[in-house]
Amino acid sequence: GAVVSQHPSRVICKSGTSVKIECRSLDFQATTMFWYRQFPKQSLMLMATSNEGSKATYEQGVEKDKFLINHASLTLSTLTVTSAHPEDSSFYICSAPSGGGLTYNEQFFGPGTRLTVL
Amino acid sequence: AQSVSQHNHHVILSEAASLELGCNYSYGGTVNLFWYVQYPGQHLQLLLKYFSGDPLVKGIKGFEAEFIKSKFSFNLRKPSVQWSDTAEYFCAVKNNQAGTALIFGKGTTLSVSS
Repeated sequence: GAVVSQHPSRVICKSGTSVKIECRSLDFQATTMFWYRQFPKQSLMLMATSNEGSKATYEQGVEKDKFLINHASLTLSTLTVTSAHPEDSSFYICSAPSGGGLTYNEQFFGPGTRLTVL
Repeated sequence: AQSVSQHNHHVILSEAASLELGCNYSYGGTVNLFWYVQYPGQHLQLLLKYFSGDPLVKGIKGFEAEFIKSKFSFNLRKPSVQWSDTAEYFCAVKNNQAGTALIFGKGTTLSVSS
C-alpha cells in the first residue's frame, strides 16, 4: 500500500515556541491531506484539510492562525503549531487519500507526531 | 453531519473468546466504512474496509465486519481472539466522494488476557 511519513516522530518544546510537523506521501501524489489530533485515550479528531495550491479548510473550533497549514507540493504538507502551549500537547496524525480507482477512497495514515509542550 | 458511535468503551476478554464490537453511523448517503486498529505505541493500521458489494467483509488477522444498511451498522467480529489483539479499535466512515475526510468513532479498547 501507499506510504505516508511524518517528521519528527516526537518533539518537545518550550511554551511559546513554534513547531513544524511535516507529512509526506512517499510513493504517490496527494492533492489533499488531512490533519488529525488525538488526545490520550480519545479518538482522532479532524483538524483541517490541506489542499495543494489553495488554502486549508479548518474544522469548527480549530484556530487557523494557531495551526498553520501549508501544502507546498503534491507530496508535502506541513502543520506549524505557533506559540505552542501545554494544552497543545497531543498526538498529531496526517493522512492522505491515494489516487486512482477504488483506492481513491482509502486513506493512508502517517505514524503520527507526539508533541509535548513544557 | 456524519457521526460514528462505538458502543463499547472497554472490552475485556479471555483468549479464544469471540469478539463483536459495535459501530453505528449516521449519514443519509452512500458511505465507505472502515475499521482501524492501533496497537500500543504504534500508528493506525487498516483492518478492513467496505466500499460496495458483499456486505460481509473479511480483513486481516482473522477479522471480519458486516455492513447492515438498514441498521446503519458495521460491527467488527473475530471468532477467537488472541492476546496479541489487545489494542484500540476505531470505526470510521466517510461519504462516497473522493478526497473527503474520515470521521472516527471514539474507539474501543480491547484487552485480551492469556
